[in-house]
Amino acid sequence: DAGITQSPRHKVTETGTPVTLRCHQTENHRYMYWYRQDPGHGLRLIHYSYGVKDTDKGEVSDGYSVSRSKTEDFLLTLESATSSQTSVYFCAISAGKLGTEAFFGQGTRLTVV
Amino acid sequence: GDSVTQMEGPVTLSEEACLTINCTYTATGYPSLFWYVQYPGEGLQLLLKATKADDKGSNKGFEATYRKETTSFHLEKGSVQVSDSAVYFCALSGLRDDKIIFGKGTRLHILP
Repeated sequence: DAGITQSPRHKVTETGTPVTLRCHQTENHRYMYWYRQDPGHGLRLIHYSYGVKDTDKGEVSDGYSVSRSKTEDFLLTLESATSSQTSVYFCAISAGKLGTEAFFGQGTRLTVV
Repeated sequence: GDSVTQMEGPVTLSEEACLTINCTYTATGYPSLFWYVQYPGEGLQLLLKATKADDKGSNKGFEATYRKETTSFHLEKGSVQVSDSAVYFCALSGLRDDKIIFGKGTRLHILP
C-alpha cells in the first residue's frame, strides 16, 4: 500500500471555526490532491499541488486554502467552516507522469455543526 | 475542459450476472484512463487502467478497453459476486496538467 496518511480521521467542529486537515505521504510523489466526496456529486477536486509551494485550484475551491511547504505534507484549511463543508475529504498522491495512477488516503469525515 | 461521464446508479444485479458500467470521456489527445473501486468505509483503490488506444486493462475478472473512436472505457465483468458490491469510479489523467478527473461514481449492489 502507498504510504499516505490523513489526519484526523474524524472531526466535528462548529460553524465559523477554522479547521486544518493534514495529508502526509512517504512516496516522494510530486502531485498531491484534495477531494471532497458527497452523495450525488462523486469526487470533486478542491485543490491540488504539483510541487513544494506550487498549488492550483480545483472545481470547488471557494472557502478552502492549501499549503505545501514540504514534499510530504499537504494541508487543507477551511478558514471559517460552514455546514455545506460537511463531507468526506480524501487526499490523493500521484507521480504525475502520464499513465500513473493516484493513490488515496482513507479519508477524513468532517462534520460542521 | 476534460470530463468523464459514467452511468448513474445504483445498479442492482444478482450474483453471477453480467456487468457493464458505461464510461465516456472528453479530453484533448490521448489521456490515460482508469477505473477505481471504493468499498464501504474505505478510500479509492485502482482497479485497472489503460494508457493508449485499444489497450485492455484487467484485474479481478473486470475488464475495460480504451476505445478512442467512441471515447469510451466501459467496465465489464462476466459473472459478478456479492463481494463486488462497491462504488466504481471512471477517471482520466489528461495531457495538459496531469490532473486526475473523476466521474460521479456508480454504486453497485450484488444480491446473493
